[in-house]
Amino acid sequence: DQQVKQNSPSLSVQEGRISILNCDYTNSMFDYFLWYKKYPAEGPTFLISISSIKDKNEDGRFTVFLNKSAKHLSLHIVPSQPGDSAVYFCAASASGSRLTFGEGTQLTVNP
Amino acid sequence: DTEVTQTPKHLVMGMTNKKSLKCEQHMGHRAMYWYKQKAKKPPELMFVYSYEKLSINESVPSRFSPECPNSSLLNLHLHALQPEDSALYLCASSQVRAETQYFGPGTRLLVL
Repeated sequence: DQQVKQNSPSLSVQEGRISILNCDYTNSMFDYFLWYKKYPAEGPTFLISISSIKDKNEDGRFTVFLNKSAKHLSLHIVPSQPGDSAVYFCAASASGSRLTFGEGTQLTVNP
Repeated sequence: DTEVTQTPKHLVMGMTNKKSLKCEQHMGHRAMYWYKQKAKKPPELMFVYSYEKLSINESVPSRFSPECPNSSLLNLHLHALQPEDSALYLCASSQVRAETQYFGPGTRLLVL
């Protein structure tokens, strides 16, 4: 049972445009959501998180939106840069329990 | 400072070898984790230590043996591994009941 799903395995965007990465979840007990970015052969790097009491959190070029009724979150990157090319994982947890990861989306930002 | 360090960066071992992976953090975090990650897959949780005590073992084979000598250090002892154990092994840490885990760079393990 895959509780966190990233349905797009890959996304290609032009430099300077917006990248939108999507994530859906099924477990209504999840109350904390995170996005990680991963380069090949490196550990995931924490990007941004959001608590279920909020619907938006912004940090520089990165904004995460949470739609609890739809059990959907998204990560917006504006403007996209070639250095943003990486695999992005969304993750969720319930009351500080273990993280459940999605399968990841490979983002490619073309110059 | 959100740095988690791991050594070695790369490791090649035979199926009869014994080796250890090391992880260190100085953020005062009291929870530490071992994950295994295969290419193009999300990290898979192996072990969780909370206040230096093993709190979760995700039915990992006994050829993997974790150890937490103190609140800053986490080891993973490897013995008699199989080629299918080849993967990126990641360490992470977090405040005990906080959700944000910070990952180290990983150890790329190849079992021949």
